[in-house]
Amino acid sequence: EAGVAQSPRYKIIEKRQSVAFWCNPISGHATLYWYQQILGQGPKLLIQFQNNGVVDDSQLPKDRFSAERLKGVDSTLKIQPAKLEDSAVYLCASSSQTSGGAYEQYFGPGTRLTVT
Amino acid sequence: GQNIDQPTEMTATEGAIVQINCTYQTSGFNGLFWYQQHAGEAPTFLSYNVLDGLEEKGRFSSFLSRSKGYSYLLLKELQMKDSASYLCAVKGFQKLVFGTGTRLLVSP
Repeated sequence: EAGVAQSPRYKIIEKRQSVAFWCNPISGHATLYWYQQILGQGPKLLIQFQNNGVVDDSQLPKDRFSAERLKGVDSTLKIQPAKLEDSAVYLCASSSQTSGGAYEQYFGPGTRLTVT
Repeated sequence: GQNIDQPTEMTATEGAIVQINCTYQTSGFNGLFWYQQHAGEAPTFLSYNVLDGLEEKGRFSSFLSRSKGYSYLLLKELQMKDSASYLCAVKGFQKLVFGTGTRLLVSP
């Protein structure tokens, strides 16, 4: 079974530039998550999709971050414009269910973003 | 809201046993997860507890007390490859909230 795929793996941009990340979840997984992990901290949920609908985006800075999952499979996360504090690893995860039970999340390798 | 506390760093010797504690406060509870994260890599699932008690899986065990808002991860027969960060995460109604992680250093 293929895992969660993410690209690019690394990205360096200047502040005020735009950047986009792509995620392909495990086949058949209805729930997709984007996390931001700042060095030395645990992952923080940015947005959670169930199929192509948003379940939770309460911690997504909507003035600069956007995400979509148009066909309920792949997803993109965009930052525009980027700030220095956006430097982090952006992790995509997927799970087969979202409520109840030990439906563990499977994580992709992440995209390490550096904003200079 | 949810608040999760775990020690920042722990050290142990190869072959020893180590216990990593996690305390939490949450407005809703649908289980507690432990993840392992090696430096520069993605978190990987270790264990899940939703009822009180001990869950054992090979060298790793996880314990939960819901009344105390407390969990621990027990690692036995430590190996060098166990050097990693261990993340405690609590699931509310929908969302999984992670602690900051405990960095475990295993020395020879």
